[in-house]
Amino acid sequence: GAGVSQSPSNKVTEKGKDVELRCDPISGHTALYWYRQSLGQGLEFLIYFQGNSAPDKSGLPSDRFSAERTGGSVSTLTIQRTQQEDSAVYLCASSLLLADETQYFGPGTRLLVL
Amino acid sequence: AQSVTQLDSQVPVFEEAPVELRCNYSSSVSVYLFWYVQYPNQGLQLLLKYLSGSTLVKGINGFEAEFNKSQTSFHLRKPSVHISDTAEYFCAAIGNDYKLSFGAGTTVTVRA
Repeated sequence: GAGVSQSPSNKVTEKGKDVELRCDPISGHTALYWYRQSLGQGLEFLIYFQGNSAPDKSGLPSDRFSAERTGGSVSTLTIQRTQQEDSAVYLCASSLLLADETQYFGPGTRLLVL
Repeated sequence: AQSVTQLDSQVPVFEEAPVELRCNYSSSVSVYLFWYVQYPNQGLQLLLKYLSGSTLVKGINGFEAEFNKSQTSFHLRKPSVHISDTAEYFCAAIGNDYKLSFGAGTTVTVRA
């Protein structure tokens, strides 16, 4: 079946603008994760959702970052008042269950803040 | 949370030669261990995983890894690499918090 998809694949924005990144998980997967991949920081966990439970936001770097998951499927990661240090590849992953060990990753959104 | 250390940032290797990518983890609880591969401009793809049982795990594309609890290691090996194996490889661990902790990555460059 279809894998995890993310849009846009690339996003260039100006410092101070808001951006929204979208993730469509694999159908039927109840857990959804966001990670960030940047030079010098490697791959960092940001947030995860599991069903209707409250998300674990412990990895979000600042209050400019937020995410939601509507209807237990599609998720949107929003970055407000973008800064140059937000430039990175944002990866989304999903797994069948939160306790499921294998996370399947999307191709990522490459964000460049000028 | 787990800490994952990949000991080599760059590994150049000739085609058909063997390769080993080293990974160590630290954790006071049981963990699951993974190796992911990232080809240029692509997302992460699972190569193999260790959950329990046999310490030698076989994955896709001829890769295998061995879990060594006493040395807290999970090294990745391939006996004969191809040009197409040129990529970045990430070791990762997940514990009771369900969050993947990644190593810094190892870039493998295969040369003819």
